[in-house]
Amino acid sequence: DGGITQSPKYLFRKEGQNVTLSCEQNLNHDAMYWYRQDPGQGLRLIYYSQIVNDFQKGDIAEGYSVSREKKESFPLTVTSAQKNPTAFYLCASSITSIETQYFGPGTRLLVL
Amino acid sequence: GQQLNQSPQSMFIQEGEDVSMNCTSSSIFNTWLWYKQDPGEGPVLLIALYKAGELTSNGRLTAQFGITRKDSFLNISASIPSDVGIYFCAGQRGASGSRLTFGEGTQLTVNP
Repeated sequence: DGGITQSPKYLFRKEGQNVTLSCEQNLNHDAMYWYRQDPGQGLRLIYYSQIVNDFQKGDIAEGYSVSREKKESFPLTVTSAQKNPTAFYLCASSITSIETQYFGPGTRLLVL
Repeated sequence: GQQLNQSPQSMFIQEGEDVSMNCTSSSIFNTWLWYKQDPGEGPVLLIALYKAGELTSNGRLTAQFGITRKDSFLNISASIPSDVGIYFCAGQRGASGSRLTFGEGTQLTVNP
């Protein structure tokens, strides 16, 4: 099946640890995105990548890092510098950067 | 980043009733999108609008792209219990950038 997968569904992190969230797509989409969602709020853009080996900061990039070494994969690392990491993280992709975005199922990150 | 003004924030309705929600912005968008998010899942695209004045239907859903390009509405007719969820509008400027700007969502509850 074609689609966007995110793993794991739930992730627990101890304070001071880095953690990496996985996002994979087999849709042959060029563009990929990471969003953060907090309760009762809309989605806020963390990072996006329009093409392999290129990415740009979104509105709330501080405390996060990404890489785009393969077209299919866009992992997000939540670093210890992110002071309030508990949230629902959503990955999305689109054919190109101006086409409609489709979302993965999300990863819920909890800090212990 | 800029947010869209989405209203109402929440709605409690009886099964069979019609629902209307809208989004407004101070800026012009070239594309308007409506997504639905079920609890703990990623948003699913419902309707995409690409042209000012466009009226598009998807089953019981109807959405319109405002003539000023600064607003959009979504109507749901004859609501059913599975319509429960959070509905998000999103605006995209298209060729001038790839970012989506999201509204804060409308939480819909349908009582059987």
